[in-house]
Amino acid sequence: DGGITQSPKYLFRKEGQNVTLSCEQNLNHDAMYWYRQDPGQGLRLIYYSQIVNDFQKGDIAEGYSVSREKKESFPLTVTSAQKNPTAFYLCASSIKGADTEAFFGQGTRLTVV
Amino acid sequence: AQSVTQPDIHITVSEGASLELRCNYSYGATPYLFWYVQSPGQGLQLLLKYFSGDTLVQGIKGFEAEFKRSQSSFNLRKPSVHWSDAAEYFCAVVNQGGKLIFGQGTELSVKP
Repeated sequence: DGGITQSPKYLFRKEGQNVTLSCEQNLNHDAMYWYRQDPGQGLRLIYYSQIVNDFQKGDIAEGYSVSREKKESFPLTVTSAQKNPTAFYLCASSIKGADTEAFFGQGTRLTVV
Repeated sequence: AQSVTQPDIHITVSEGASLELRCNYSYGATPYLFWYVQSPGQGLQLLLKYFSGDTLVQGIKGFEAEFKRSQSSFNLRKPSVHWSDAAEYFCAVVNQGGKLIFGQGTELSVKP
């Protein structure tokens, strides 16, 4: 079945450690996105990529990094520079272009202790 | 810069009653607009979308939305709410550069 997969579903890390969240899609989509979701704040865009080997910062990119070496993969690294990393992270993908819907993964809940 | 505002953080309606969720956008050109729904701890599912043409669009699960350029609005409606509609609803806009932006979300509760 085609879809977008985020792993793991739950992730725990100690403060000061970098952690990488996985996002893989087999939909042959060009565009991929990472969002952070906090209660009452909706979805805030961290990074997005329209094509392999290219990505742009979203509204809250500080403390995060991404790579897009393969079309199907868009991993997100939460670095120790992110002051409040505990959140629900959602990955999405879409066919390239503004007039196409985004498909979402099931999310990763990251807890930093 | 483009933005999306959902004025209502939480709405409660009785089962069988009608529903309207508000969405206002700020965008210079003709927007591409979406409504998504999210169940707790899950990803988002597309309800409907508007790109051009007829300003009243139909979606899944009996939802519809109306694009009003003069009011910069894209409100979501349903004539009769079911208990299974309880969820969080997000309005979104995407620009020509492919940046997809969401509103803050509206949480819908349904009373029996």
